Amino acid sequence: EAGVAQSPRYKIIEKRQSVAFWCNPISGHATLYWYQQILGQGPKLLIQFQNNGVVDDSQLPKDRFSAERLKGVDSTLKIQPAKLEDSAVYLCASSARPFYEQYFGPGTRLTVT
Amino acid sequence: QKEVEQNSGPLSVPEGAIASLNCTYSDRGSQSFFWYRQYSGKSPELIMSIYSNGDKEDGRFTAQLNKASQYVSLLIRDSQPSDSATYLCAAAGGAQKLVFGQGTRLTINP
Repeated sequence: EAGVAQSPRYKIIEKRQSVAFWCNPISGHATLYWYQQILGQGPKLLIQFQNNGVVDDSQLPKDRFSAERLKGVDSTLKIQPAKLEDSAVYLCASSARPFYEQYFGPGTRLTVT
Repeated sequence: QKEVEQNSGPLSVPEGAIASLNCTYSDRGSQSFFWYRQYSGKSPELIMSIYSNGDKEDGRFTAQLNKASQYVSLLIRDSQPSDSATYLCAAAGGAQKLVFGQGTRLTINP
């Protein structure tokens, strides 16, 4: 069974530029999560989808971050414009149902200069 | 008070000993609890999930849950150098939905 796929693996941009990350969950997993992990901290949930609907986006900085999950499968997370403090690893995870075991992708390491 | 609290460590354990990792959570509505292992530069890897009070064993790993005390622990028996990593505790299903702790850095000394 293929795991969670993410791309790109690394991205370096200047502040005020935009960036997009892509995630393809494990086949059949209805729940998809985006996390931000800053060095030395645990992952922070940004947004949770159930199929193509948003379940929780309470910690998503909506003035600059957006996410969508068209057709209830793969998802994109966008940052526009980026700030220095957005430098982090962005992790995508999926689970068969909410609050069940989650499986993480390899992550995208973003550096904003 | 942090929603999910872990001792950041580092926790140093000799090879072959039992490593004990602890986690407390603040949301009594939490229903699902998870332990993840994260190697430096890698993404978290699921080790254990536990949903009801008591112990759950899987190989060298045992997770323990006490909802009355809002306490979750992970025991690693016969610790190996390859167990050296950061261990993340997560609680899900309560008002805060899904929250990770900051992680405990574990070092197994040969």
